Amino acid sequence: DGGITQSPKYLFRKEGQNVTLSCEQNLNHDAMYWYRQDPGQGLRLIYYSQIVNDFQKGDIAEGYSVSREKKESFPLTVTSAQKNPTAFYLCATLRGEGSQETQYFGPGTRLLVL
Amino acid sequence: GNSVTQMEGPVTLSEEAFLTINCTYTATGYPSLFWYVQYPGEGLQLLLKATKADDKGSNKGFEATYRKETTSFHLEKGSVQVSDSAVYFCALLPGSNYKLTFGKGTLLTVNP
Repeated sequence: DGGITQSPKYLFRKEGQNVTLSCEQNLNHDAMYWYRQDPGQGLRLIYYSQIVNDFQKGDIAEGYSVSREKKESFPLTVTSAQKNPTAFYLCATLRGEGSQETQYFGPGTRLLVL
Repeated sequence: GNSVTQMEGPVTLSEEAFLTINCTYTATGYPSLFWYVQYPGEGLQLLLKATKADDKGSNKGFEATYRKETTSFHLEKGSVQVSDSAVYFCALLPGSNYKLTFGKGTLLTVNP
């Protein structure tokens, strides 16, 4: 079954704690993305990676870190420096074939601070 | 820079009513345009897309036409159903990079 898997569905973080959100894809897409979604603000880009071992900051990268050691995986770490981490986090991939570029999304992880 | 502006919600309609959600964009070059739908607690699903001027994207009774002269990509459906209740996002992908730009989303509620 092809697609994008995000785990866990819900994640709880204590103050001062780092947490890592998982994103795995078996679509063989080169590019992967992390977005944050807050009510009424749409989606904001945190980080993206167009190729293994390379990634770029998006619009709100502060307090987050990523790695891209494998094509299939793009984990996001929410560090203690992120002061307001409560949000819905969405991972996405991009199939890039000229005019057929299309972005596909995972089911999301909801992060809550205790 | 690139930007997408879509009509503020929420939009509330009765079943079988006509739907229009406006979307306009600002971009350099020739972007691809998308509509995504998000049901409660889920990720975004691609609804339809158009890659060049005058293209019409369509899916599940929804349609949108890429209008370069008015820089618009309005979403329409002739007869909405309760199951269409969701948040709808307009987005563009510029030809120069791989970063999508999203509108803020429009919440649609369809009542029986």
